[in-house]
Amino acid sequence: KQEVTQIPAALSVPEGENLVLNCSFTDSAIYNLQWFRQDPGKGLTSLLLIQSSQREQTSGRLNASLDKSSGRSTLYIAASQPGDSATYLCAVINQGGKLIFGQGTELSVKP
Amino acid sequence: EAGVVQSPRYKIIEKKQPVAFWCNPISGHNTLYWYRQNLGQGPELLIRYENEEAVDDSQLPKDRFSAERLKGVDSTLKIQPAELGDSAVYLCASKVRAAYNEQFFGPGTRLTVL
Repeated sequence: KQEVTQIPAALSVPEGENLVLNCSFTDSAIYNLQWFRQDPGKGLTSLLLIQSSQREQTSGRLNASLDKSSGRSTLYIAASQPGDSATYLCAVINQGGKLIFGQGTELSVKP
Repeated sequence: EAGVVQSPRYKIIEKKQPVAFWCNPISGHNTLYWYRQNLGQGPELLIRYENEEAVDDSQLPKDRFSAERLKGVDSTLKIQPAELGDSAVYLCASKVRAAYNEQFFGPGTRLTVL
């Protein structure tokens, strides 16, 4: 059974700092991996989707990497801003397109 | 283009009462999902529809939960009777049919059972 773990559960950083969020999964037979952002009381917004044949994806200040063999993904946020405060969720996509989520990392960026 | 619409946004009920949630997916999206998200956890799949057919309901507690998507467009998720442990956010998502296309999520319904 696929299990997805995110570390840390919560993170607080000062504005301007670069940071890394971690995601690990137990079964390397994944098709894609996706990072989401969730603001309080809101649904999920897709940030980056990495296909299994790719090693990384970039969007603005965000960079996500994928190492299937080791069962790990990281989300790098450069020059963090208070507006980046949210919960970040990673999800692996298994056969049939099913999403299996980690428990999320709650990020707080202090001005 | 409108996103995934869910209603109500919030619902407070007493235990043993019934409750229903409604979802209207993005136009043209054949696949519809219902997820449950407990506090501090990631969403967990309850049921997946391909058009009007429920193709994966293995995680749906069928003793008290039911869902329908009669015309293959909007969908309703029902709980009867609700229990304290059902308090959670219920999320709806949709996508086009192809297996690895991106899912788009609605804002969710936050259920509190007292």
